[in-house]
Amino acid sequence: SSELTQDPAVSVALGQTVRITCQGDSLRSYYASWYQQKPGQAPVLVIYGKNNRPSGIPDRFSGSSSGNTASLTITGAQAEDEADYYCNSRDSSGNHGVFGGGTKLTVL
Amino acid sequence: QVQLQQWGAGLLKPSETLSLTCAVYGGSFSGYYWSWIRQPPGKGLEWIGEINHSGSTNYNPSLKSRVTISVDTSKNQFSLKLSSVTAADTAVYYCARVRITMVRGVIKAYYFDYWGQGTLVTVSS
Repeated sequence: SSELTQDPAVSVALGQTVRITCQGDSLRSYYASWYQQKPGQAPVLVIYGKNNRPSGIPDRFSGSSSGNTASLTITGAQAEDEADYYCNSRDSSGNHGVFGGGTKLTVL
Repeated sequence: QVQLQQWGAGLLKPSETLSLTCAVYGGSFSGYYWSWIRQPPGKGLEWIGEINHSGSTNYNPSLKSRVTISVDTSKNQFSLKLSSVTAADTAVYYCARVRITMVRGVIKAYYFDYWGQGTLVTVSS
């Protein structure tokens, strides 16, 4: 079992805002990072640190954190945002990486 | 532009040893940790372990007894060996560069900014 918990599936209407969450005790100590993965492709980093986007990631993606919960928000979801999203951090020991189970985002 | 290119055997029999190598092109090799991550078909991502340029490693406790990650700084490459494989080890294996953000000497952020293309490894008799 993962130390980071995500909802398995979330849906959002085209152009609306959606929040994907990640829970875990280690998130009290570490920022989560977020990855987008489309079928047959390697994951792509979309958010890291407090709320940073790599070059080329649209500004509709943002991150936030409160207590043991990290969130990825997509403001004005687009059809191309339909994908699996994974959170990642260090585990509670601080010695290992850990991923959430992933959230499948459907854009309606 | 950093690129990670990985290769290795894609079909193994149970009990054999999985062996993959990842070469890093562009950017610095030293000063980073480098990681292996896998994804079974239709399932989520699993962190396998990491290594830095001096050979310091951390492994997933659930795989630690079977995993060895090594580094060849002369070639800017790092490698994964997983022994005694079973069907449960069938997965796409990715290599990735680790980034760490420190605040006052404490790790605050840990993420993977560059990934290899992935290698499907199938374990079947």
